[in-house]
Amino acid sequence: QVQLQESGPGLVKPSQTLSLTCTVSGGSISSGGYYWTWIRQHPGKGLEWIGYIHYSGSINYSPSLKSRLSISVDTSNNQFSLRLTSVTAADTAVYYCARGDRYDGRYDYWGQGTLVTVSS
Amino acid sequence: DIQMTQSPSSLSASVGDRVTITCRASQSIGNFLNWYQKKPGKAPKLLIYTASSLESGVPSRFSGSGSGTDFILTIRSLQPEDFAAYFCQQSYSTLYTFGQGTKVEIK
Repeated sequence: QVQLQESGPGLVKPSQTLSLTCTVSGGSISSGGYYWTWIRQHPGKGLEWIGYIHYSGSINYSPSLKSRLSISVDTSNNQFSLRLTSVTAADTAVYYCARGDRYDGRYDYWGQGTLVTVSS
Repeated sequence: DIQMTQSPSSLSASVGDRVTITCRASQSIGNFLNWYQKKPGKAPKLLIYTASSLESGVPSRFSGSGSGTDFILTIRSLQPEDFAAYFCQQSYSTLYTFGQGTKVEIK
């Protein structure tokens, strides 16, 4: 059974960098058929797709976040990470990591989510 | 970007009711449409993929239909554990987008 677990600070100051890591267990992040994805949900709002990375390093980012966003993969530790710079209160959200099927785009496994609050 | 519009944004229903939720894409997406259930404090759960395929382990009272721009999620006989939010997601373009969600509440 594949499991994903997000980790990282729950509180980030405005203008600083938000960094999260997703650890994958029960399966290899180097399986070629998946895009490893970050998705967030603002309080009381819908789901926002942030971006994904393939183990090969291929990436795809949301245009609205692209200038501040970096997603990387660490195959040796079966992890992938998100880095979002110059955060504001608008980046306060629950951040999820998820496994996306490369062919049909379904997200079949998700982390439990981690709340990140941007506040001084 | 492909915009996904769900309707209604919320609905009230009783246990045993048949519930339908609609998702419309701003352009044709073939059958690259997935449905998720979201409960507060929990991760989204995949229900339906490629418009009409039932994810393993999901009760058969859930079904999906549609293609092109118009899609429907149907819950045949609403159960107490089905009160939740439901989101559609298109995976046709490389910028995946979600609908704004439909909250199913107890009448």
